[in-house]
Amino acid sequence: SQQGEEDPQALSIQEGENATMNCSYKTSINNLQWYRQNSGRGLVHLILIRSNEREKHSGRLRVTLDTSKKSSSLLITASRAADTASYFCATDWSTGGFKTIFGAGTRLFVKA
Amino acid sequence: EPEVTQTPSHQVTQMGQEVILRCVPISNHLYFYWYRQILGQKVEFLVSFYNNEISEKSEIFDDQFSVERPDGSNFTLKIRSTKLEDSAMYFCASTAPTSPGELFFGEGSRLTVL
Repeated sequence: SQQGEEDPQALSIQEGENATMNCSYKTSINNLQWYRQNSGRGLVHLILIRSNEREKHSGRLRVTLDTSKKSSSLLITASRAADTASYFCATDWSTGGFKTIFGAGTRLFVKA
Repeated sequence: EPEVTQTPSHQVTQMGQEVILRCVPISNHLYFYWYRQILGQKVEFLVSFYNNEISEKSEIFDDQFSVERPDGSNFTLKIRSTKLEDSAMYFCASTAPTSPGELFFGEGSRLTVL
């Protein structure tokens, strides 16, 4: 399976702390994306990092990509209670076709 | 802000019945997807659609599933004979030609099969 797998499965932190989530995948990719899902809602795209990039920032989000280890991390700095959600990494196949595969997700709970 | 819309938000059906879930992707998008998420589980790829034909499909997308773009705006997922295990949230997504890696999701259709 090409699917990304996140760890930890669940993370509980205090407001103001940083949250780090990791993702590993198995096959070569064009890009890797991170999405957020509030309970029972649709997924929202957060950030995309291409296979030739190593780090990307967007506001309080920092994403790294290590293609040699087939892994990525998402760091949320200065977390807020509103960041409570599930976070998924997703990868696109590099062999053509349009197929974005999601990992199992990390459930983040930020305590106020 | 443009968004992907899905109807119905919730459908309850009897096992063996046909169900059609509808999606209106963002108007200038060209790539369309269906995903499903069984309660508490991962988001599973079903099918992608481009240029009026299926681009990729998963093992889940068997003969009981079909997709169609009957006009210039709607994108539908049909389940011919529903099973109990089809109960899930079904999400439609679309992407723009300029950024095919960024999926825009609808809020989902919850299907309950009794």
